[in-house]
Amino acid sequence: QKEVEQNSGPLSVPEGAIASLNCTYSDRGSQSFFWYRQYSGKSPELIMSIYSNGDKEDGRFTAQLNKASQYVSLLIRDSQPSDSATYLCAVNANTDKLIFGTGTRLQVFP
Amino acid sequence: DTGVSQNPRHKITKRGQNVTFRCDPISEHNRLYWYRQTLGQGPEFLTYFQNEAQLEKSRLLSDRFSAERPKGSFSTLEIQRTEQGDSAMYLCASSLSLGADTQYFGPGTRLTVL
Repeated sequence: QKEVEQNSGPLSVPEGAIASLNCTYSDRGSQSFFWYRQYSGKSPELIMSIYSNGDKEDGRFTAQLNKASQYVSLLIRDSQPSDSATYLCAVNANTDKLIFGTGTRLQVFP
Repeated sequence: DTGVSQNPRHKITKRGQNVTFRCDPISEHNRLYWYRQTLGQGPEFLTYFQNEAQLEKSRLLSDRFSAERPKGSFSTLEIQRTEQGDSAMYLCASSLSLGADTQYFGPGTRLTVL
């Protein structure tokens, strides 16, 4: 079982819709969770971090964490074509290194 | 520019050659990480430093790989006797302190081994 799992996609949504990206992790001791956006050929860019159960909102982005279910998600409201990228879920299990999923490719079409 | 910087951005080398990459972290960050990313995969942890001390090395880091951070500022990653399987994006990240603090990535160095 991979430590951090994501559906590779592509996830295709129309412009203006809500994109929902999901991630599960295996280590119950995980304490911090991150979503990074990565455009093709570029490096990961931090979108959101979340540490506590529940929702955290930042502009059009909402991260949701459920530690009991070992599940973290990212919602993107009012999706724009510029949101088309690969979204990486990363987990820190108190080992000071990040464990990444393989990423979900999001395509927003006009 | 106050972000993480990496040099070179691209490196093409022949199999068997040695290569060295440099990373300059965000100035006040005392933690520095190296990751490797291949096509279609997420970044994989290689090693990290707290100031000048190398605290952890992944099993991915064979004896051909060595990393240093001699004065606790910039870091270098050297690959000796490169192999085609070393072709990847090498990413550097830095963070402020212990535990869960956020890691910020540099632009990466893309290595191609012919």
